[in-house]
Amino acid sequence: EVQLVESGGGLVQPGGSLRLSCEVSGFTFSDHWMSWVRQAPGEGLEWVANIKGDGSEIKYVDSVKGRFTISRDNAKNSLFLQMNSLRAEDTAVYYCARNQLDTAYRPFDNWGQGTQVIVSS
Amino acid sequence: DIVMTQSPDSLAVSLGERATINCKSSQNVLYSSNKNNYLGWYQQKPGQPPKLLIYWASTRQSGVPDRFSGSGSGTDFTLTINSLQAEDVAVYYCQQYYSTPFTFGPGTRVDIK
Repeated sequence: EVQLVESGGGLVQPGGSLRLSCEVSGFTFSDHWMSWVRQAPGEGLEWVANIKGDGSEIKYVDSVKGRFTISRDNAKNSLFLQMNSLRAEDTAVYYCARNQLDTAYRPFDNWGQGTQVIVSS
Repeated sequence: DIVMTQSPDSLAVSLGERATINCKSSQNVLYSSNKNNYLGWYQQKPGQPPKLLIYWASTRQSGVPDRFSGSGSGTDFTLTINSLQAEDVAVYYCQQYYSTPFTFGPGTRVDIK
């Protein structure tokens, strides 16, 4: 069974940092592009970033470029999102999502339950 | 960026009736070389993550009931739920994965009338 479990969310002050983790099981992690998708309270879904199976390609939405860094450790079946210079508008549930195959241009076929990030003073 | 729009914002349908949700992309998401529309549909129930229902605009994900169907091509797409069930109450999102940043529609809430 495919499982994705996020952790690392919490309350942080504006300008602060957080590191999200997503531990996966039930599939060959290195075979898949992986993404982070977020959902602000009461809002829709926003793709944040993705990373190729071997970590060699990375893409970001413009609003997080220069502040967020996506990475992965295939030996530990883990995906990460380092978030710096956090702003109030980064407040959201952050989901780890698996791309359907090892290509960026596929839908997200498995999602974690999400981890809440609140940016507030 | 490709902007996704959906209509209606919400709809209420009687049990057993049909629900139809429309999605429009600001640019073509049909890739000419493979004739695939890079368009997916997701269902999100309260307190849950999204669930992939449909990809390539009309291919049902494994395990999804056949009352869910997708159609359309290019820039205009439709999700149809035939014979609505109580468990179908949710918000439905379309998403393009044709180009980054991947973008979602604003969602359509489906309720029981």
